[in-house]
Amino acid sequence: GEDVEQSLFLSVREGDSSVINCTYTDSSSTYLYWYKQEPGAGLQLLTYIFSNMDMKQDQRLTVLLNKKDKHLSLRIADTQTGDSAIYFCADLIPNSGNTPLVFGKGTRLSVIA
Amino acid sequence: EAGVAQSPRYKIIEKRQSVAFWCNPISGHATLYWYQQILGQGPKLLIQFQNNGVVDDSQLPKDRFSAERLKGVDSTLKIQPAKLEDSAVYLCASSLVVGDEQYFGPGTRLTVT
Repeated sequence: GEDVEQSLFLSVREGDSSVINCTYTDSSSTYLYWYKQEPGAGLQLLTYIFSNMDMKQDQRLTVLLNKKDKHLSLRIADTQTGDSAIYFCADLIPNSGNTPLVFGKGTRLSVIA
Repeated sequence: EAGVAQSPRYKIIEKRQSVAFWCNPISGHATLYWYQQILGQGPKLLIQFQNNGVVDDSQLPKDRFSAERLKGVDSTLKIQPAKLEDSAVYLCASSLVVGDEQYFGPGTRLTVT
């Protein structure tokens, strides 16, 4: 089955850029997502990219997709303390009418003031 | 627009007891998902409904877990009897149609002692 891998921790200084990386294994992926989870809260969709795109920019967020290497990254410019959270990469696999989202284990981003 | 509602938010039970979780999806969303998120892991899909029919329950431990979505709106997830390893956050999500963006509720944190 599909496997999504992320590094577990990232620590950055406030104002710096953060780059969170993710690798996946299934080449039939259609959409790849980045979700944010703050303590005690559900998952909030941050952004997504369609598999035929290389890059997507949305305000402070930039998503890069290297389909050949099955590598996805999320760059957060000018990282703020409010960005401290767990970030999940998720892969949408089309499969016979159902569309499971397969999540990585999450990267815990700590922003140091 | 109201989000996905879940209750209770927290539940503590002893092993071998039963527990039920409730989810009210966003109005008009045909697809409903239940995920299990064990501490330190990403969410894992348990079951997916399309209206009141089950689309995917391949990862649901059917000897102890059951779920239903009567009338294609609210859903309940039940565990009977609970085991220690069921301690997790149970997340409900909904989407307008299969493959569309999933909106997550705040989750129910279950502790089995």
